[in-house]
Amino acid sequence: EVQLVESGGGLVQPGGSLRLSCAASGFTFSNYWMSWVRQAPGKGLEWVANIKQDGNEKNYVDSVKGRFTISRDNAKNSLFLQLNSLRAEDTAVYYCARDEAGDYNTEFHYWGQGTLVTVSS
Amino acid sequence: SYDLTQPPSVSVSPGQTASISCSGDRLGDKYASWYQQKPGQSPVMVIYQDKKRPSGIPERFSGSNSGNTATLTISGTQAMDEADYYCLARDSTTVVFGGGTKLTVL
Repeated sequence: EVQLVESGGGLVQPGGSLRLSCAASGFTFSNYWMSWVRQAPGKGLEWVANIKQDGNEKNYVDSVKGRFTISRDNAKNSLFLQLNSLRAEDTAVYYCARDEAGDYNTEFHYWGQGTLVTVSS
Repeated sequence: SYDLTQPPSVSVSPGQTASISCSGDRLGDKYASWYQQKPGQSPVMVIYQDKKRPSGIPERFSGSNSGNTATLTISGTQAMDEADYYCLARDSTTVVFGGGTKLTVL
């Protein structure tokens, strides 16, 4: 059974940092792109970033470029998101998702339960 | 940047057909997928690659994509289908979600 379990969320002050983790199990982690998707309270879904199987290609939504960094450890079946220079508008539930990226398609067959990041003084 | 536009809300009577649209420039040239999200839950994919249904998703869910519009159709809508629905497509290296549609089954 595929499982994605996020952790690391919490309350942080504006300008602060946080590192999110996603523990994957039930599939060969190193065979898949992985993504982070977020959802602000009462708002829609927003894709944040993704990373290729070997970690050598990373893509970000414009609003987080230069502040967030996605990474992975295939030996530990883990995905990470480093959040720096946090702003109030980064407050959201952050989901980890298995990214079925192909030549022309991307879709998220599996999602974690999410971890809440709150940026507030 | 690439945008996907959905109607904020759609209402349907039980047993009737609900259609939710997703519009984007030349969206028909890309693959669209659809996600259902109920309050307090993680999203669940209901359609991928325009019209494929994941295992476990009822046959009443179907999809199409042509021109500038992808459509999610729910035939014989049930009360349990009331949820928010999001479309998704990839534009080059960027992944984009539509703004979401709240489906109300009255």
